[in-house]
Parts: sequence; C-alpha cells; structure tokens
Amino acid sequence: AQSVTQLGSHVSVSEGALVLLRCNYSSSVPPYLFWYVQYPNQGLQLLLKYTSAATLVKGINGFEAEFKKSETSFHLTKPSAHMSDAAEYFCAVTTNSGYSTLTFGKGTMLLVSP
Amino acid sequence: ETGVTQSPTHLIKTRGQQVTLRCSSQSGHNTVSWYQQALGQGPQFIFQYYREEENGRGNFPPRFSGLQFPNYSSELNVNALELDDSALYLCASSLQTGNVFNEQFFGPGTRLTVL
Repeated sequence: AQSVTQLGSHVSVSEGALVLLRCNYSSSVPPYLFWYVQYPNQGLQLLLKYTSAATLVKGINGFEAEFKKSETSFHLTKPSAHMSDAAEYFCAVTTNSGYSTLTFGKGTMLLVSP
Repeated sequence: ETGVTQSPTHLIKTRGQQVTLRCSSQSGHNTVSWYQQALGQGPQFIFQYYREEENGRGNFPPRFSGLQFPNYSSELNVNALELDDSALYLCASSLQTGNVFNEQFFGPGTRLTVL
C-alpha cells in the first residue's frame, strides 16, 4: 500500500518569492510520483511526474520537484511565484503495475499576494 | 485529439435518489478510472474499468457501480444517495499497455450536490 502526506493545507507567498510545497510518500515498492494542479471548479492538470529516471524533474509553468529516496520526499518548488500560480496542488503516488491507480494527498492551497 | 469529457457539469439530487454520471475517454484510451473528491480533500479512487470490466475498486460501498462501453466511455452510478456523496466526481482515462502504469488524463469533473 502507498500513501502521501502533504504538509500544510495552505501556503502563502508573495509574488516573486520562492514556492515550496512539501510531499512525503510511503510505498513498499519503488514509486511513481506526480504533482497535479487544480484551479477553482476545474479538473486536475499534470504539472510533472517522476517515473524512476532523473531524480530532478522539470514540469510546466516553471515548476520542478526532486525525488529523494532517503527522505521519502518529492517536494515541489518554483523560484519565483506568479499570481496565476494561486491554486490547489496535489501530490500523488502510484506503482509501476498494470493495476494503476493514484493515491492522492489532501492537497495544499497556494495563496499568492501582490 | 479530444480530451476527457464529463457530463453533466453540475447536478443536484435529494437523499435516496439515484444518479448517473458520464465520461468520454480520450481518443485511443482503453481504461477509465473514477475518483471522488470531497470538499477540501484529495481525490479518492472509486474504481477502474479496463475493456468493459472492473479492474480494481477502492473503499466504496456497492451502491457505487459503473459500466464501460465498447467505445471505452463510462458511467458511474450511485444508488440511494446520501448527503456525504456530495462531491466532485472526476473521471480519468489512460491507455493500458501491458503490466505498466500509464499516465491518467483527467476530465473537468461533475459537481454533485445531495440535499
């Protein structure tokens, strides 16, 4: 079984500041890890994914995440926040199996102030 | 290429009623997964269909059921609605090729309100 813990239900940053959203996972087998973004009243959009290749993963909109096995973490970062980044972010884990289902964290709402 | 679509976008029902939600998968995809996202929570896996058969199920009661059709579109049916069924229901499609995970593409969701 696998699980995801996202630390902080809300994170507030100023425009131009560093964004850091935390995600820790638990998995008994090598995981695949994902970050999704959800804007109000919309579905989920994939930001980036880790599938056992490079540990530093670059995604869309300037986001990146680093897989750290020793820390069981997959934190999401962006050097400079933009107002349009305000949304809810979900970390998710799965395993590389044919029965492929995603287990999501509870989400972190990113608030960006001018 | 058409993405994942869901209908209706919003729905209001009363306790005890039944509801059917629909999902059209992305062109070329053969697998559909359904998720329930309660307010303030992350999506929770309900079940998955692969080639018209249920391929896995999360911790949801039997009153949650589904179908997948030959064109790989899918329905989620919920009987005897309860207030706690109020949520955003997300459908995701993927192309299952062998025993490996393949990326899931999400639709915009159906917002169900149970009064």
